[in-house]
Amino acid sequence: AQKVTQAQTEISVVEKEDVTLDCVYETRDTTYYLFWYKQPPSGELVFLIRRNSFDEQNEISGRYSWNFQKSTSSFNFTITASQVVDSAVYFCALSGATFSGYSTLTFGKGTMLLVSP
Amino acid sequence: DVKVTQSSRYLVKRTGEKVFLECVQDMDHENMFWYRQDPGLGLRLIYFSYDVKMKEKGDIPEGYSVSREKKERFSLILESASTNQTSMYLCASRALAGLAYEQYFGPGTRLTVT
Repeated sequence: AQKVTQAQTEISVVEKEDVTLDCVYETRDTTYYLFWYKQPPSGELVFLIRRNSFDEQNEISGRYSWNFQKSTSSFNFTITASQVVDSAVYFCALSGATFSGYSTLTFGKGTMLLVSP
Repeated sequence: DVKVTQSSRYLVKRTGEKVFLECVQDMDHENMFWYRQDPGLGLRLIYFSYDVKMKEKGDIPEGYSVSREKKERFSLILESASTNQTSMYLCASRALAGLAYEQYFGPGTRLTVT
């Protein structure tokens, strides 16, 4: 069975601080994808990034960066110079195939990030 | 941009009522999903549909059924609502069934069963 663990339930930072959200996953699949989603107070989950199991290159997009380490089964997300608009719940997710062969996502429980001015 | 819409943002129903939650996507996506989100539990998959009239159970299908008669529309049905079905319900769609494809989410329906 697949599992995604986001051990940090809630993180509070002050604006301009850097913050890292942890994600650890478990899977027996050799091919899989990892995702991060952001859920702002409005409620709609927004896709941020996808990473496949064969690509361990770190990715940077503006103030966001992701560190994928297969050796530790982790896919951590760092926000540099956080802003109030970054306040949201962030979900890490892992794709895997069902018994019928269709892929679904297993989500972590989410980390609520509060950025105060 | 992909647009996933849900029929209601907030809904209040009584125990025992039959409840319909509707979801519509406008991007001709093959797959659609229903999740429920509860504090401390994250998102849990109720049902998904990989094609019209096709469905597959997710992790927590008990007490729910679904219907997909048209490609763009996926309905979640609570046959006899109970208080433990009070939750946020999120619909999502995905272009194709491969591992790599991301899901696009609607704004959610917060259902309260009294």
